[in-house]
Amino acid sequence: GAGVSQSPSNKVTEKGKDVELRCDPISGHTALYWYRQSLGQGLEFLIYFQGNSAPDKSGLPSDRFSAERTGGSVSTLTIQRTQQEDSAVYLCASTRDGNLPLHFGNGTRLTVT
Amino acid sequence: SQQGEEDPQALSIQEGENATMNCSYKTSINNLQWYRQNSGRGLVHLILIRSNEREKHSGRLRVTLDTSKKSSSLLITASRAADTASYFCAQIQGAQKLVFGQGTRLTINP
Repeated sequence: GAGVSQSPSNKVTEKGKDVELRCDPISGHTALYWYRQSLGQGLEFLIYFQGNSAPDKSGLPSDRFSAERTGGSVSTLTIQRTQQEDSAVYLCASTRDGNLPLHFGNGTRLTVT
Repeated sequence: SQQGEEDPQALSIQEGENATMNCSYKTSINNLQWYRQNSGRGLVHLILIRSNEREKHSGRLRVTLDTSKKSSSLLITASRAADTASYFCAQIQGAQKLVFGQGTRLTINP
């Protein structure tokens, strides 16, 4: 079946503009994660959705970052007033159960100029 | 904050040799997971070891877990060029948040 799909795969934006990144998880997966990965670095947790529970937003670096998950499926990560330090690869992952292995998309590479 | 840290940060070996990567973590766990990331791609799950297991095998992969030392190791035997990638360990922090270490960059030289 289809894996986790992220779009766009690449995004170049000017500093100060808003961007929206999209994640389509695997059908039936109730848990969805967003991570950020800077060049050559590890994964930085951003936010976690599990079913209808309140999301764990503890990793969002500032109030410019927000995410939503509509209908328990597709998720969008929004970055307002982008800054150059926001440049990174944003990875989405989903799983049926938070204790099970994650399935990752290939990420969106965001470049803020 | 990061839950686990991998060691070494980078490892370069000859094809056919074994590669060992280590992971240390800070708090108690239900399970520990290892992932691989090829350049420019998302992570792929390799193996999950539960807290009541000490060793697990999958093909050329062998994972050990020492909960008393809060550490795990990933051994790749008879390495191949295709094993060149970054390897990450991950653990649940708090309720359901899966956190990753900084990873080990493994290079297999032909």
